[in-house]
Amino acid sequence: TQLLEQSPQFLSIQEGENLTVYCNSSSVFSSLQWYRQEPGEGPVLLVTVVTGGEVKKLKRLTFQFGDARKDSSLHITAAQPGDTGLYLCAGAEGGDGNNRKLIWGLGTSLAVNP
Amino acid sequence: EPEVTQTPSHQVTQMGQEVILRCVPISNHLYFYWYRQILGQKVEFLVSFYNNEISEKSEIFDDQFSVERPDGSNFTLKIRSTKLEDSAMYFCASAPVGSYSGNTIYFGEGSWLTVV
Repeated sequence: TQLLEQSPQFLSIQEGENLTVYCNSSSVFSSLQWYRQEPGEGPVLLVTVVTGGEVKKLKRLTFQFGDARKDSSLHITAAQPGDTGLYLCAGAEGGDGNNRKLIWGLGTSLAVNP
Repeated sequence: EPEVTQTPSHQVTQMGQEVILRCVPISNHLYFYWYRQILGQKVEFLVSFYNNEISEKSEIFDDQFSVERPDGSNFTLKIRSTKLEDSAMYFCASAPVGSYSGNTIYFGEGSWLTVV
């Protein structure tokens, strides 16, 4: 069974600080997605990474997929209170992408204090 | 921007009752999914559906669960006889077909099911 472990589980920082959260597995995924989830709502996609070593940027968010496609990181620069939320990573099983069963981490709950 | 829509947003039901959760996937998508998230736990895969049949299902998706695409737009999850442990947020998702592994799955807002 493939597992995704996210760390840290909880993170509380001050506005303006930088942070990195991690998503690790012993298994290889064909792609990995990062989502943000607000309480009582569905996950909202932030990014999909596919190629080993790939780096994608979304404003102040930088996502990296490990060379071996087993791990990923999310780095936020100059965090703002609006970044507060639960960040989830989900890895896709299967090589052809047509049957996209996602394996999820438990998430990192981020609180950015003004 | 196209989105996956789900109804109801919240349903309370008595144990043993049947529940139908409804979803309207993104219109040009051909892969459909149900996931669930028990409070405080990971999101879990239930079932994937393509070409009018189940393509994969998890151990959770037992005989009490069924899915249907009754028309060209709706995708439903039925729980025949609900149990207390079925209480969870149920997410519908859809994805475009294709062999490119970067195809993304888009999620609805979820239906919160409470079994009492």
